[in-house]
Amino acid sequence: NAGVTQTPKFQVLKTGQSMTLQCAQDMNHEYMSWYRQDPGMGLRLIHYSVGAGITDQGEVPNGYNVSRSTTEDFPLRLLSAAPSQTSVYFCASGRYTEAFFGQGTRLTVV
Amino acid sequence: TQLLEQSPQFLSIQEGENLTVYCNSSSVFSSLQWYRQEPGEGPVLLVTVVTGGEVKKLKRLTFQFGDARKDSSLHITAAQPGDTGLYLCAGTNNAGNMLTFGGGTRLMVKP
Repeated sequence: NAGVTQTPKFQVLKTGQSMTLQCAQDMNHEYMSWYRQDPGMGLRLIHYSVGAGITDQGEVPNGYNVSRSTTEDFPLRLLSAAPSQTSVYFCASGRYTEAFFGQGTRLTVV
Repeated sequence: TQLLEQSPQFLSIQEGENLTVYCNSSSVFSSLQWYRQEPGEGPVLLVTVVTGGEVKKLKRLTFQFGDARKDSSLHITAAQPGDTGLYLCAGTNNAGNMLTFGGGTRLMVKP
């Protein structure tokens, strides 16, 4: 079972570059979300989606865009990378009371 | 923003000892979850508690949801090295559309 698949697993960006983190799920979940994890701060919600065509902001949305054209895919776009966006990014899908996480993308912005 | 505070942040114990991790908030949550995360992996759900005062057991792990649904605890009996990891609590808001995570408790169990 694939579950939630994130790509890439590692990425180094230069300040100002843009990129898209991919997330796909094969569990037919309506709810998907993106988090960033920084040391000592747990996971913070960036954006979420309750279904195809519907997205909303989480706790720390600035500098990130999302779209949800299909139930399966929920890409996260960094518009102009900044060193403050160095973090580990996790995509999750599932119900609000049961989130299934991908393995994460470790992003470094230099 | 609803905040969840976990304590302690770090815990290092010997195999066989008991421990309790706490998750506290001033906000009410419709449900609360506990996750365990290992290095290089995403968090994995351990349990969800929904009802105030609810107690759930998962082998040597006991989870409790506070009566007012503002806090929770995780108790591990006779800890084993395989319990080592980052334990995260997370609460669902009343609208049911957002999950807020605590800062985590990093547990190390030494053989």
